Amino acid sequence: QVQLVQSGAEVKKPGASVKVSCKASGYTFTSYYMHWVRQAPGQGLEWMGIINPSGGSTSYAQKFQGRVTMTRDTSTSTVYMELSSLRSEDTAVYYCARGGHFVVVPAAHWGQGTLVTVSS
Amino acid sequence: QSALTQPASVSGSPGQSITISCTGTSSDVGGYNYVSWYQQHPGKAPKLMIYDVSNRPSGVSNRFSGSKSGNTASLTISGLQAEDEADYYCSSYTSSSTLGWVFGGGTKLTVL
Repeated sequence: QVQLVQSGAEVKKPGASVKVSCKASGYTFTSYYMHWVRQAPGQGLEWMGIINPSGGSTSYAQKFQGRVTMTRDTSTSTVYMELSSLRSEDTAVYYCARGGHFVVVPAAHWGQGTLVTVSS
Repeated sequence: QSALTQPASVSGSPGQSITISCTGTSSDVGGYNYVSWYQQHPGKAPKLMIYDVSNRPSGVSNRFSGSKSGNTASLTISGLQAEDEADYYCSSYTSSSTLGWVFGGGTKLTVL
């Protein structure tokens, strides 16, 4: 079965960077796009971007361009999301979620989420 | 990408039907048949309930249905049950600013 296991909670200071990992299993890693979505405490879902694990191509939401980098390691079936220049408003649960063979397929299988807290 | 517009809350009694709207633009909801709906219970990851406007993933109850007219998509839940109480989010593929996805602000469903 599809499993997405994310790295543990992080506490960062403003201005720092955070890198969240998402290890996939139960399917062919390179055949499915991976979305990243975040949710601030008590707030709604916010789409951050998407990566094609096959070639590594990415598309980022305009809000995060210049601050987010999504990468993958096909040898370990892991995708990464790095967010830089952190500020308090970046405090949120970050989810990876598997899409489909094409970018227009929505996120159907979700990781457990990683809480990132930004605080001085 | 601007968020899609959903009502903040809706409510209904057990057995009734409710509809949640999701309004976007011609660059997202109105331009593509790639609208999806998610259910999220407190402290849990979202669950995909509807994709491509009106399709249900395997295992999702047929009490959940989706539709679209112009720039507005809708989720209808019939035969409301207590376990349907949750937050619901619409999402659409978008060509606004960058190619990708955008979510609605979310709707809190209360089963009275």
